[in-house]
Amino acid sequence: SQQGEEDPQALSIQEGENATMNCSYKTSINNLQWYRQNSGRGLVHLILIRSNEREKHSGRLRVTLDTSKKSSSLLITASRAADTASYFCATDDSGAGSYQLTFGKGTKLSVIP
Amino acid sequence: SAVISQKPSRDICQRGTSLTIQCQVDSQVTMMFWYRQQPGQSLTLIATANQGSEATYESGFVIDKFPISRPNLTFSTLTVSNMSPEDSSIYLCSVLGGGGIQYFGAGTRLSVL
Repeated sequence: SQQGEEDPQALSIQEGENATMNCSYKTSINNLQWYRQNSGRGLVHLILIRSNEREKHSGRLRVTLDTSKKSSSLLITASRAADTASYFCATDDSGAGSYQLTFGKGTKLSVIP
Repeated sequence: SAVISQKPSRDICQRGTSLTIQCQVDSQVTMMFWYRQQPGQSLTLIATANQGSEATYESGFVIDKFPISRPNLTFSTLTVSNMSPEDSSIYLCSVLGGGGIQYFGAGTRLSVL
């Protein structure tokens, strides 16, 4: 079953603007990860945040985690056309099999040059 | 990180036939995963493949339909058997890396006529 629910499902912004995507989940987690997928290809890992962390940065990416609300957000600052992709959150559920990830439905981001 | 080669990248198959997808990793890994991504959807875990043991299938997926081999620590295959148009999807393999991160192959885009 799907654990994460991202919103929005689709997001269209101008180059240079910031993009924010949200993810909600239902069960206790060990960590939450964000992945990017270009045009139905393989997924690329972006960032991992552990359940005891609240915020993490990597380059133009900023991820927050609120375990009390079971939600996370991914912020991409100063977006570029190359950021156009689908973004998925994935949870490593503490109650599930070891290291299995449950993926959300994804947000399709379009960055207009 | 790990480099994963997945073959074929795409195929068009006739109903009732079978297709075997290969996943080769450039280093030895313990855990490999197979996912299905139906058109416009997120990833759903098919099974976890550990070397030296039977694959563990998720609810809704059975070995007769999706037999998996894992002969060594760098290679795995997934067969989609007796295909129907409903099997048209992207199939992805991934491997477990350090810190619980998964590294993905580029995927196999399967169309069944």
